[in-house]
Amino acid sequence: DIQLTQSPSSLSASVGDRVTITCRASQPITNFLSWFQQKPGNAPKLLIYAASYLQSGVPSRFSGSGSGTDFTLTIGSLQPEDFATYYCQQTNTPPRTFGQGTKVDFK
Amino acid sequence: EVQLVQSGAEVKKPGESLKIACEGSGYNFSTDWIGWVRQMPGKGLELMGAIYPGDSDTTYSPSFQGQVSISADKSISTAYLQWSSLRASDTAIYYCARQNGYVADSFDIWGQGTMVTVSS
Repeated sequence: DIQLTQSPSSLSASVGDRVTITCRASQPITNFLSWFQQKPGNAPKLLIYAASYLQSGVPSRFSGSGSGTDFTLTIGSLQPEDFATYYCQQTNTPPRTFGQGTKVDFK
Repeated sequence: EVQLVQSGAEVKKPGESLKIACEGSGYNFSTDWIGWVRQMPGKGLELMGAIYPGDSDTTYSPSFQGQVSISADKSISTAYLQWSSLRASDTAIYYCARQNGYVADSFDIWGQGTMVTVSS
């Protein structure tokens, strides 16, 4: 199975901060990487697909980059509603594994 | 509106069987894979497997092969996740999600989740 390692596992930030989360794959996955946001008590929500494409309706402060094994999710200016847990998922090779998650909370 | 609606919370005893459902609406249910994702209490997301409702082709992640059964009835736009003998370790929230080829096979629509509690 392809392992996805997210870093950091958690981070504390303030409104307005620029936040970067990384996801490293154990083998190349071209650009078949998605990012999800999950808030407590809610289902995950798709933010980014194919590494860098913004899902419809997602604010432009979210962006994704990377290819091969190293990927990044960036939140340009953190808003109060962005405090959540973020997951990456590879869709290149079955089983389509998830990263372990990164929790973003208030500093 | 495209949506997946899941069946309600369940409380079961170890050894009991269970089948939970995920009904799609607002799109052609037969032509997109449906995945099932487990989230144990306080933990991350794990893909269990997926089904193509059009022909019931099914795949399982290795950790879940033989532990659960995934099925679908395209005539009523519903996918199912089934256990023959539950264990306490099956306590979790289970999500279904649509895998959409237009967004690089990402899960773009999610059900609201079904909480399954297994306790004696």
